[in-house]
Amino acid sequence: QLLESGGDLEQPGGSLRLSCAASGFTFSNYAMTWVRQAPGKGLEWVSSINGDGLNIYYAVSVKGRFTISRDNSRNRLYLQMNSLRVEDTAVYYCAKGLDATTGTKTIDYWGQGTLVTVSS
Amino acid sequence: DIVMTQTPLSSPVTLGQPASISCRSSQSLVHSDGNTYLSWLQQRPGQPPRLLIYEISKRVSGVPDRFSGSGAGTDFTLKINRVEAEDVGVYYCMQGTQFPRTFGGGTKVEIK
Repeated sequence: QLLESGGDLEQPGGSLRLSCAASGFTFSNYAMTWVRQAPGKGLEWVSSINGDGLNIYYAVSVKGRFTISRDNSRNRLYLQMNSLRVEDTAVYYCAKGLDATTGTKTIDYWGQGTLVTVSS
Repeated sequence: DIVMTQTPLSSPVTLGQPASISCRSSQSLVHSDGNTYLSWLQQRPGQPPRLLIYEISKRVSGVPDRFSGSGAGTDFTLKINRVEAEDVGVYYCMQGTQFPRTFGGGTKVEIK
């Protein structure tokens, strides 16, 4: 199970920290991903991190503003979002890689999502 | 970046009839490990996406066998044999071969 939290209404330029609590699998073995979906729009990959946290990737649209991290001792994934923009408004999904070997090449399970609204 | 193009945008289907969705990538999705990381996701209204098919044609456990995936290289297809009411939703293809991961724009399957 993946349970996201931390979504809120924030002003442009502000910060939010999303959290994803994982259970039911050995968290440290799996790469994790954040994907977002703007209201009424399609899916957009945001960032991925491998199991030990050493390999991290970002979409160009968030690089330098967002930071993905994980705490394997607490089975938690995070997304620190700084310098928020109106266009960051979306439901943010935490998602799990299919297996320990393929990383995030296949995403097999998604949380319910948390809504981030950026507006003045 | 690899651009994923899905067609059609919308697919009105009669219950019990087949549906087919096409996904084309702007470059080959064959990874250096020899696998092709093309997945199909279903998103029912108000729900998060759900993985149906991965690596072109591997069906996830619990997914009905009326769903099938095919294709190679840059051209891929998702077929629903006989559409049921529970299949209504938006279907996305996704490539995992290269960063950034990219999705098709989505195809809405609805009942006529």
